[in-house]
Amino acid sequence: DADVTQTPRNRITKTGKRIMLECSQTKGHDRMYWYRQDPGLGLRLIYYSFDVKDINKGEISDGYSVSRQAQAKFSLSLESAIPNQTALYFCATSDATGEETEAFFGQGTRLTVV
Amino acid sequence: AQSVTQLDSQVPVFEEAPVELRCNYSSSVSVYLFWYVQYPNQGLQLLLKYLSGSTLVESINGFEAEFNKSQTSFHLRKPSVHISDTAEYFCAVSSLSNTGKLIFGQGTTLQVKP
Repeated sequence: DADVTQTPRNRITKTGKRIMLECSQTKGHDRMYWYRQDPGLGLRLIYYSFDVKDINKGEISDGYSVSRQAQAKFSLSLESAIPNQTALYFCATSDATGEETEAFFGQGTRLTVV
Repeated sequence: AQSVTQLDSQVPVFEEAPVELRCNYSSSVSVYLFWYVQYPNQGLQLLLKYLSGSTLVESINGFEAEFNKSQTSFHLRKPSVHISDTAEYFCAVSSLSNTGKLIFGQGTTLQVKP
């Protein structure tokens, strides 16, 4: 099983609908992140969480919300989806202790808003 | 503030030829530097990283990158590419205290032709 699992892998939704993307991890890391990938723009940070009680906005948080249900689970919600939120979304984790010095990414969720 | 610029959006190259993917960064503080690779329809995998010490770092599949502090660059090179190296490559930086909060470049698509 993957260390970082995202569900669903693909989703098509209509404008105005609420949608939730889920992420779970088995790395035991405290820190979790949501990124968005757009062609020609690389990945940009939406939200990140240092622990269950610590949620922080990233570069492009408008139109998104998150919930850290447990150390291992971090979900991203689009309250009212719009077409320009069509993108590839990645969840990632990282270690706060310094023992591991890179982020670990899920396989991505391809979201299409029509 | 930090920023990362990948100077080429696409790099076509023939199999067994050498390749260089260029990355420049800007930061007022010390950073860690990373190259991530995204194979078609997959998530991001760490290719290599520079934390400290020797400025030349190598991956297990023949890529290398050299940290040049004076030129604020971290270019990725491989002396002989294979078809299987076809992928999108992302250069990224992080602060020393949070390696999951990454600033990514725009990405470079490496297309290896037979």
